[in-house]
Amino acid sequence: QKEVEQNSGPLSVPEGAIASLNCTYSDRGSQSFFWYRQYSGKSPELIMFIYSNGDKEDGRFTAQLNKASQYVSLLIRDSQPSDSATYLCAAQGGKLIFGQGTELSVKP
Amino acid sequence: EAQVTQNPRYLITVTGKKLTVTCSQNMNHEYMSWYRQDPGLGLRQIYYSMNVEVTDKGDVPEGYKVSRKEKRNFPLILESPSPNQTSLYFCASSYGGDEKLFFGSGTQLSVL
Repeated sequence: QKEVEQNSGPLSVPEGAIASLNCTYSDRGSQSFFWYRQYSGKSPELIMFIYSNGDKEDGRFTAQLNKASQYVSLLIRDSQPSDSATYLCAAQGGKLIFGQGTELSVKP
Repeated sequence: EAQVTQNPRYLITVTGKKLTVTCSQNMNHEYMSWYRQDPGLGLRQIYYSMNVEVTDKGDVPEGYKVSRKEKRNFPLILESPSPNQTSLYFCASSYGGDEKLFFGSGTQLSVL
Protein backbone atom coordinates (compact mmCIF):
# COMPACT_ATOMS: atom_id res chain seq x y z
CA GLN A 1 0.00 0.00 0.00
CA LYS A 2 1.33 3.38 -1.01
CA GLU A 3 2.02 5.56 2.00
CA VAL A 4 3.18 9.01 2.94
CA GLU A 5 4.63 9.27 6.42
CA GLN A 6 4.99 12.35 8.58
CA ASN A 7 5.90 12.83 12.21
CA SER A 8 2.63 13.93 13.81
CA GLY A 9 4.42 16.22 16.27
CA PRO A 10 3.70 18.56 17.76
CA LEU A 11 6.85 20.31 16.62
CA SER A 12 7.53 23.33 18.76
CA VAL A 13 9.96 26.07 17.70
CA PRO A 14 10.61 29.57 19.06
CA GLU A 15 9.65 32.61 17.03
CA GLY A 16 12.33 33.50 14.51
CA ALA A 17 13.75 29.98 14.31
CA ILE A 18 13.78 27.62 11.33
CA ALA A 19 11.05 24.98 11.38
CA SER A 20 11.87 21.76 9.53
CA LEU A 21 9.03 19.47 8.53
CA ASN A 22 9.78 16.09 7.05
CA CYS A 23 7.94 13.56 4.93
CA THR A 24 8.80 10.19 3.38
CA TYR A 25 6.88 8.36 0.68
CA SER A 26 6.81 4.74 -0.36
CA ASP A 27 5.83 4.96 -4.05
CA ARG A 28 8.96 5.38 -6.15
CA GLY A 29 6.73 6.37 -9.08
CA SER A 30 5.63 9.56 -7.32
CA GLN A 31 6.43 12.57 -9.47
CA SER A 32 4.79 15.55 -7.79
CA PHE A 33 4.88 16.65 -4.18
CA PHE A 34 2.77 19.15 -2.30
CA TRP A 35 2.66 20.88 1.05
CA TYR A 36 -0.69 22.03 2.40
CA ARG A 37 -1.18 24.15 5.51
CA GLN A 38 -4.26 23.60 7.65
CA TYR A 39 -5.13 25.95 10.47
CA SER A 40 -7.20 24.51 13.29
CA GLY A 41 -10.83 24.23 12.22
CA LYS A 42 -10.05 25.33 8.66
CA SER A 43 -9.53 23.65 5.32
CA PRO A 44 -6.15 22.71 3.80
CA GLU A 45 -4.47 25.36 1.66
CA LEU A 46 -1.73 24.63 -0.88
CA ILE A 47 1.47 26.52 0.00
CA MET A 48 4.24 24.76 -1.94
CA PHE A 49 4.72 22.18 -4.66
CA ILE A 50 7.87 20.63 -6.09
CA TYR A 51 8.50 18.31 -9.01
CA SER A 52 12.29 18.12 -9.38
CA ASN A 53 15.10 17.08 -7.11
CA GLY A 54 16.63 19.92 -5.15
CA ASP A 55 15.23 23.01 -3.50
CA LYS A 56 12.38 25.33 -4.36
CA GLU A 57 12.08 28.61 -2.51
CA ASP A 58 9.06 30.88 -2.09
CA GLY A 59 9.50 33.67 0.42
CA ARG A 60 10.17 32.16 3.85
CA PHE A 61 9.31 28.66 2.61
CA THR A 62 11.70 26.17 1.00
CA ALA A 63 10.62 22.77 -0.26
CA GLN A 64 13.32 20.13 -0.66
CA LEU A 65 13.02 16.91 -2.64
CA ASN A 66 15.32 13.92 -2.72
CA LYS A 67 13.81 11.23 -4.94
CA ALA A 68 16.62 8.74 -4.34
CA SER A 69 15.88 8.82 -0.61
CA GLN A 70 12.12 9.27 -1.17
CA TYR A 71 12.20 12.25 1.12
CA VAL A 72 10.47 15.63 1.02
CA SER A 73 10.89 18.45 3.48
CA LEU A 74 9.53 21.91 4.13
CA LEU A 75 11.67 24.56 5.80
CA ILE A 76 10.08 27.66 7.26
CA ARG A 77 12.57 30.42 7.98
CA ASP A 78 11.96 33.16 10.54
CA SER A 79 8.99 31.23 11.93
CA GLN A 80 6.08 33.33 13.15
CA PRO A 81 3.24 32.46 15.54
CA SER A 82 0.94 32.75 12.53
CA ASP A 83 2.74 29.73 11.04
CA SER A 84 1.29 27.56 13.81
CA ALA A 85 -0.81 25.00 11.95
CA THR A 86 -0.81 21.41 10.74
CA TYR A 87 1.23 20.85 7.60
CA LEU A 88 0.14 18.08 5.25
CA CYS A 89 2.55 16.46 2.85
CA ALA A 90 1.13 14.83 -0.29
CA ALA A 91 2.74 12.76 -3.03
CA GLN A 92 1.27 12.08 -6.43
CA GLY A 93 2.17 9.07 -8.55
CA GLY A 94 -1.03 8.20 -10.34
CA LYS A 95 -3.08 9.33 -7.39
CA LEU A 96 -2.57 11.82 -4.61
CA ILE A 97 -1.73 10.36 -1.21
CA PHE A 98 -1.74 12.55 1.89
CA GLY A 99 0.32 12.10 5.01
CA GLN A 100 -1.28 12.45 8.42
CA GLY A 101 0.18 15.91 8.94
CA THR A 102 2.65 17.49 11.33
CA GLU A 103 1.41 19.97 13.90
CA LEU A 104 3.71 22.98 14.18
CA SER A 105 3.60 25.35 17.13
CA VAL A 106 5.64 28.57 16.99
CA LYS A 107 6.07 30.09 20.44
CA PRO A 108 6.46 33.90 20.82
CA GLU B 1 -13.98 35.52 -5.43
CA ALA B 2 -12.73 32.08 -6.47
CA GLN B 3 -14.03 29.52 -4.03
CA VAL B 4 -15.37 26.08 -3.30
CA THR B 5 -18.59 26.30 -1.31
CA GLN B 6 -19.79 23.47 0.88
CA ASN B 7 -23.04 23.26 2.80
CA PRO B 8 -23.90 22.70 5.53
CA ARG B 9 -20.92 23.56 7.73
CA TYR B 10 -22.18 21.37 10.58
CA LEU B 11 -24.66 18.52 10.45
CA ILE B 12 -25.99 16.23 13.14
CA THR B 13 -28.21 13.38 12.03
CA VAL B 14 -29.38 9.93 13.06
CA THR B 15 -28.51 6.54 11.68
CA GLY B 16 -30.32 5.74 8.44
CA LYS B 17 -31.59 9.21 7.60
CA LYS B 18 -30.51 10.11 4.07
CA LEU B 19 -28.52 13.28 3.70
CA THR B 20 -26.78 15.31 1.01
CA VAL B 21 -23.77 17.58 1.39
CA THR B 22 -23.55 20.09 -1.42
CA CYS B 23 -20.39 21.34 -3.10
CA SER B 24 -20.11 24.05 -5.71
CA GLN B 25 -17.08 25.71 -7.32
CA ASN B 26 -16.95 28.90 -9.39
CA MET B 27 -13.53 28.37 -11.01
CA ASN B 28 -14.66 26.25 -13.98
CA HIS B 29 -12.56 23.37 -12.67
CA GLU B 30 -12.94 20.02 -14.40
CA TYR B 31 -11.75 17.91 -11.46
CA MET B 32 -13.70 17.63 -8.21
CA SER B 33 -13.26 15.30 -5.28
CA TRP B 34 -14.55 14.42 -1.83
CA TYR B 35 -12.31 13.63 1.15
CA ARG B 36 -12.92 12.68 4.72
CA GLN B 37 -10.50 13.61 7.47
CA ASP B 38 -10.24 11.56 10.63
CA PRO B 39 -7.74 11.91 13.50
CA GLY B 40 -4.70 9.74 12.90
CA LEU B 41 -5.86 8.75 9.41
CA GLY B 42 -5.35 11.97 7.51
CA LEU B 43 -7.25 12.87 4.36
CA ARG B 44 -8.77 9.93 2.51
CA GLN B 45 -10.44 10.21 -0.86
CA ILE B 46 -14.06 9.07 -1.14
CA TYR B 47 -14.98 9.78 -4.76
CA TYR B 48 -13.70 11.95 -7.55
CA SER B 49 -14.89 13.28 -10.87
CA MET B 50 -12.75 14.16 -13.87
CA ASN B 51 -15.63 15.93 -15.66
CA VAL B 52 -19.39 16.05 -16.06
CA GLU B 53 -20.97 12.59 -15.86
CA VAL B 54 -17.54 11.04 -15.10
CA THR B 55 -17.10 9.80 -11.54
CA ASP B 56 -14.95 7.13 -9.93
CA LYS B 57 -14.29 5.59 -6.53
CA GLY B 58 -11.51 6.75 -4.28
CA ASP B 59 -10.05 4.84 -1.36
CA VAL B 60 -13.11 4.76 0.93
CA PRO B 61 -16.27 4.85 -1.24
CA GLU B 62 -18.44 2.44 0.76
CA GLY B 63 -21.66 4.05 1.98
CA TYR B 64 -21.37 7.11 -0.25
CA LYS B 65 -22.76 8.20 -3.61
CA VAL B 66 -21.94 11.15 -5.84
CA SER B 67 -23.20 12.68 -9.03
CA ARG B 68 -21.79 15.24 -11.47
CA LYS B 69 -24.61 16.55 -13.62
CA GLU B 70 -23.14 20.03 -13.91
CA LYS B 71 -19.52 21.11 -14.00
CA ARG B 72 -19.78 23.34 -10.96
CA ASN B 73 -21.64 20.97 -8.59
CA PHE B 74 -20.57 17.72 -6.99
CA PRO B 75 -22.90 16.64 -4.17
CA LEU B 76 -22.05 13.87 -1.71
CA ILE B 77 -24.95 11.61 -0.77
CA LEU B 78 -25.18 9.32 2.23
CA GLU B 79 -28.19 7.10 1.59
CA SER B 80 -28.16 5.44 5.02
CA PRO B 81 -25.63 7.11 7.30
CA SER B 82 -23.99 5.10 10.05
CA PRO B 83 -21.96 6.27 13.09
CA ASN B 84 -18.67 5.27 11.42
CA GLN B 85 -19.33 8.00 8.86
CA THR B 86 -18.98 10.63 11.56
CA SER B 87 -16.11 12.70 10.20
CA LEU B 88 -14.95 16.01 8.76
CA TYR B 89 -15.67 16.13 5.04
CA PHE B 90 -13.96 18.30 2.44
CA CYS B 91 -14.84 18.94 -1.16
CA ALA B 92 -11.96 19.95 -3.42
CA SER B 93 -11.49 21.00 -7.02
CA SER B 94 -8.67 21.69 -9.46
CA TYR B 95 -8.04 22.49 -13.12
CA GLY B 96 -6.96 18.97 -13.96
CA GLY B 97 -6.33 15.89 -11.89
CA ASP B 98 -5.72 15.92 -8.16
CA GLU B 99 -2.83 18.36 -8.19
CA LYS B 100 -3.08 21.81 -6.64
CA LEU B 101 -6.41 21.27 -4.96
CA PHE B 102 -8.69 24.06 -3.74
CA PHE B 103 -10.65 22.91 -0.70
CA GLY B 104 -14.06 23.90 0.55
CA SER B 105 -14.52 25.02 4.15
CA GLY B 106 -15.54 21.55 5.32
CA THR B 107 -18.61 19.84 6.75
CA GLN B 108 -18.46 18.37 10.24
CA LEU B 109 -20.89 15.45 10.22
CA SER B 110 -22.05 13.59 13.32
CA VAL B 111 -24.18 10.47 12.91
CA LEU B 112 -25.86 9.39 16.14
